[in-house]
Amino acid sequence: SQTIHQWPATLVQPVGSPLSLECTVEGTSNPNLYWYRQAAGRGLQLLFYSVGIGQISSEVPQNLSASRPQDRQFILSSKKLLLSDSGFYLCAWSDGLAGTGELFFGEGSRLTVL
Amino acid sequence: SQKIEQNSEALNIQEGKTATLTCNYTNYSPAYLQWYRQDPGRGPVFLLLIRENEKEKRKERLKVTFDTTLKQSLFHITASQPADSATYLCALEIGDKIIFGKGTRLHILP
Repeated sequence: SQTIHQWPATLVQPVGSPLSLECTVEGTSNPNLYWYRQAAGRGLQLLFYSVGIGQISSEVPQNLSASRPQDRQFILSSKKLLLSDSGFYLCAWSDGLAGTGELFFGEGSRLTVL
Repeated sequence: SQKIEQNSEALNIQEGKTATLTCNYTNYSPAYLQWYRQDPGRGPVFLLLIRENEKEKRKERLKVTFDTTLKQSLFHITASQPADSATYLCALEIGDKIIFGKGTRLHILP
C-alpha cells in the first residue's frame, strides 16, 4: 500500500534562518506531488506542485522554493525565513494516471518562525 | 482567477439532524469536485468525489450534489453524530492542480 512520510513534524526557527522540509512517498510510481500551507485562520494554500522529476510549478511568489530530486521525494526550502512563513505545511500526492486527483496527505509540519 | 467559497466558517448542528455545507466556485468549469475532512492538527482526508456529469453521490451517511449550472456543490451528513465534528473542505481540480476552499468547521452538539 502507499504511504507518505513528512518531516520534521514541528520546528521553531528564527527569522532569517534556512528551512528544509522533506516528503517521501512509498508504494507508487510517478506520483503528482504537492506542497500546501495552512496559516492560522486561513485556508489550504497551494504553494508548489510537480508532475514529474525536475518539474516544479509555483503558485505563489514568495521566498520559498521546492525541488523534486527523485521520483517520490519532494523538498520545500527557504534560504531566509520570514515571520509570515509560520504555518502548517502539508505534503500530498495523487495518482496522476487515475484521473481523479484524490489527494493523500502527510501528517504535516508545523513551523513557527520567531 | 478561480475562486472557491464555502458559505459558512462555522456551523452548529444538533445531533441526529442533517448537516448541509455549501461550496460555490467561479471562473472555472471543473471536471470533478472533491470533499475532504480535516481534524485539528492533521492532514485532510478524502471523503467523496463527484464528476461534472453526476448529479449526486452517496457514501453511507454522506451525500454530495453537484450543480454545474449554479456552480455549486452541497455536502450533506445525515443522522449527524458528535464524531462528525471537524472541518470540511471542498476542492476543485484545475488541470494538475487541486485548490481548496477555506473550509467549514462543523460542530455537532450532543
